[in-house]
Amino acid sequence: DAMVIQNPRYQVTQFGKPVTLSCSQTLNHNVMYWYQQKSSQAPKLLFHYYDKDFNNEADTPDNFQSRRPNTSFCFLDIRSPGLGDAAMYLCATSRTSGRFYEQYFGPGTRLTVT
Amino acid sequence: GENVEQHPSTLSVQEGDSAVIKCTYSDSASNYFPWYKQELGKGPQLIIDIRSNVGEKKDQRIAVTLNKTAKHFSLHITETQPEDSAVYFCAAYLLRGSQGNLIFGKGTKLSVKP
Repeated sequence: DAMVIQNPRYQVTQFGKPVTLSCSQTLNHNVMYWYQQKSSQAPKLLFHYYDKDFNNEADTPDNFQSRRPNTSFCFLDIRSPGLGDAAMYLCATSRTSGRFYEQYFGPGTRLTVT
Repeated sequence: GENVEQHPSTLSVQEGDSAVIKCTYSDSASNYFPWYKQELGKGPQLIIDIRSNVGEKKDQRIAVTLNKTAKHFSLHITETQPEDSAVYFCAAYLLRGSQGNLIFGKGTKLSVKP
């Protein structure tokens, strides 16, 4: 009964080689988020989709892009990964109607850059 | 913008003892405060949350209290067990226009010794 699914769980890519991480959800939530989490740090919001509206955080590097082809799926594209992009990438979803703010996280994708 | 401070950064308790983690927030407009538990290599799991119209909420061994005047909220875990060992994050929900985001504290690493 997985609700937020991330694939792959582990991804190794070479310096500068584009990589795509995927997220899917069975909750039918209208908001999807991508976070970056480095070791011993809190999750850092990169961007989110509110329905089809894309919202980029001001300090998210241009190297990071996202696509949301439909309600269930969202992708994180890293165009030219650097060593500093090695991290856990977390996808989360929420439903924002009325008083509902709960965010549910997926298990994450651990990205290694060699 | 909103800022969430979390203390302590590490906490070690004996099995069966209680653990308390405290957070403060800066924006009085924040109205939703979740707590997440993150085990090693996994995504954050929502364990309890509280809204600004409530002062306390309890779920079995876990409770959260909120003091809106002082702008702080706390997580209380009673009768701790080794499986409670994890990193705990508090967060505050900040509404920006018609959308909102979670602002996370830096996390508390809880170790429960058998």
